[in-house]
Amino acid sequence: DAGITQSPRHKVTETGTPVTLRCHQTENHRYMYWYRQDPGHGLRLIHYSYGVKDTDKGEVSDGYSVSRSKTEDFLLTLESATSSQTSVYFCAISEFRGNGELFFGEGSRLTVL
Amino acid sequence: GQQLNQSPQSMFIQEGEDVSMNCTSSSIFNTWLWYKQDPGEGPVLLIALYKAGELTSNGRLTAQFGITRKDSFLNISASIPSDVGIYFCAGLISHELPAQAGTALIFGKGTTLSVSS
Repeated sequence: DAGITQSPRHKVTETGTPVTLRCHQTENHRYMYWYRQDPGHGLRLIHYSYGVKDTDKGEVSDGYSVSRSKTEDFLLTLESATSSQTSVYFCAISEFRGNGELFFGEGSRLTVL
Repeated sequence: GQQLNQSPQSMFIQEGEDVSMNCTSSSIFNTWLWYKQDPGEGPVLLIALYKAGELTSNGRLTAQFGITRKDSFLNISASIPSDVGIYFCAGLISHELPAQAGTALIFGKGTTLSVSS
């Protein structure tokens, strides 16, 4: 198994509160991604990183920010959570640019009340 | 933007039956990948296809990269209860820059497979 850990695994929060999800990898892979998974929508890319301090937006980036200050950690922040951000969030890592072979974490289930 | 049309959306089959699912697009992809997600877990890569026309097997799973580069198929033979889950196709667009790595990978919406014993 690829060494990738997400925390927290489950979180319930209230609308308007900030939330940070953490993805930690022990594989020293360059590329890291945050996806959200919702019924009927599959996996949608939120943000990704192609190196330390190098990040870019994905398909559904509004309301989210990310930071990557070191290779092993990729943080996803919801500055002010909304009910529409209730979802399961997956972190993924990839060693090689452009081969599409991702290793996914186990997911973080976020509920915004 | 590019989209993948994955079908069927869901399947309900009996143990022992064969399963077929596919992904199509109006765009050309350089790589096709198939992932499986077990309930409560993250997706796991099953098969990756890198050449048009390529046929690749992984145990009871067989996948093909369409000749037109716009589609891919996944077949599962002799299904068993542990085949239950969501199967995602993904297509990778050719790109040059590391900064394009994220948005170059497009996922289908998944096929949910249920197997009754």
